[in-house]
Amino acid sequence: QSALTQPASVSGSPGQSITISCTGTKSDVGAYNYVSWYQQHPGKAPKLLIYELTNRPSGVPDRFSGSKSGNTASLTISGLQAEDEADYYCCSFTTANTRVFGGGTKLAVL
Amino acid sequence: QVQLVESGGAVVQPERSLRLSCVGSGFSFRSYAMHWGRQAPGKGLEWIAFISYDGREKYYSDSVKGRFTISRENSANTLFLQMNSLRPEDTAIYYCARDDVYSLNYWGPGTLVTVSS
Repeated sequence: QSALTQPASVSGSPGQSITISCTGTKSDVGAYNYVSWYQQHPGKAPKLLIYELTNRPSGVPDRFSGSKSGNTASLTISGLQAEDEADYYCCSFTTANTRVFGGGTKLAVL
Repeated sequence: QVQLVESGGAVVQPERSLRLSCVGSGFSFRSYAMHWGRQAPGKGLEWIAFISYDGREKYYSDSVKGRFTISRENSANTLFLQMNSLRPEDTAIYYCARDDVYSLNYWGPGTLVTVSS
C-alpha cells in the first residue's frame, strides 16, 4: 500500500491554470475510475473536490476538473484564485478494496 | 446538513489503548459506509479503515491491521475506532468520513491522538 505519487509543490499566478499529477499503479489508479481529489486549507478538514475521476460535488466550481491516463490521474485548476492556495490530495480505490492517498501537493498562488 | 463529530482523542502512553467515536447527524447514518483517516503533524492524509453500512465488511491499511478495529452502532448513529498497542507513529489527527461513490465526501473536524511516554 504505497502512497500515490504527487509533486510536493506547484505554483501559478492568478488567472492561470495548473495541473497536479497523481501516479499510482495498475492496482489502484490504473484499475478503476474511482479516483477522488481533496482540498485542505491549514487547520481545516479536507474537502472533496472531485469524485469518480471527473465528477464535482454540488458547490464545487467548474474551474476544478479531473482526468486520467493509464496509471496517472490529474487535477486541473483553471482561472487560479487566491483562495485556491491550499494542499491537494488524490485518493484511489484499490484492488484490495482499500483506499490510498497521495502524498499531497502544496499549491502556491503567487 | 450532514455533520460528523469525532471524540475520544487524548494523550496516551505507548502500548496502551484508546477508543475514538464519531457521531453522525443530518443523514441516514445506517445507509452509508464510513471511513477513518488520519494526519500526522505536518504530514499528509492517510486512509486507515473502512466499514460497510451494515458493518459486515471491514478493510484496513497495513499500518494498522491487527491493532485497530473499526465498528459501528447504527442505532446510535456512531462509528468507533478501537486502537490497541499504540505507537508514537500513531500520533495524528483522526478524522471520520462518510463514503459516497468510493470517495470520502463529508469529514468531521478531527480529534487529536498523541502517543507519548
